Amino acid sequence: ELKVEQNPLFLSMQEGKNYTIYCNYSTTSDRLYWYRQDPGKSLESLFVLLSNGAVKQEGRLMASLDTKARLSTLHITAAVHDLSATYFCAVDPMEYGNKLVFGAGTILRVKS
Amino acid sequence: DVKVTQSSRYLVKRTGEKVFLECVQDMDHENMFWYRQDPGLGLRLIYFSYDVKMKEKGDIPEGYSVSREKKERFSLILESASTNQTSMYLCASSWGGSYNEQFFGPGTRLTVL
Repeated sequence: ELKVEQNPLFLSMQEGKNYTIYCNYSTTSDRLYWYRQDPGKSLESLFVLLSNGAVKQEGRLMASLDTKARLSTLHITAAVHDLSATYFCAVDPMEYGNKLVFGAGTILRVKS
Repeated sequence: DVKVTQSSRYLVKRTGEKVFLECVQDMDHENMFWYRQDPGLGLRLIYFSYDVKMKEKGDIPEGYSVSREKKERFSLILESASTNQTSMYLCASSWGGSYNEQFFGPGTRLTVL
């Protein structure tokens, strides 16, 4: 059974600082997705990573995928308050039913 | 843009009522999913469907049923609502095949009194 672990689960950081959220998973997959959720809202797609070594960047966020290490990272550069949200990674186990397995989410609070 | 809509943003029901939550997607997606989200428990899959009239149980199907009579519409039914079904319900859809990014609807916050 595929397990997806995110860490940290809660991150409080100052504006202007850098930090990385980690997403580890337990079985082979080369498809991973990052989502953002604002309080009381639904999940919004951030990044789609579909191969080993994939790197995507949007503004102050950069996501990467290392399928050999079974690890994806979401790097935050020079954080701003607007990045405060919960971030989920989701791994595609590429099996029947096309289900994704979600991590528990990382709650990010950026303090000004 | 993919659009997934849900019938209600907020819903308040009484214990024992039959509750229908409806989800519609406009991108001809094969797969549709129902999740519930509770604080500290993350996203939990209730049911999913990979084709019209097909359904599969997820991780927590007890107390729920689903219906998919048309490709674009996936309904979640609470046969007899209970207070422990108070939650945020999220619908999602995806293409299927080798590309399974899920697109989520806005969510329905259901309160059962």
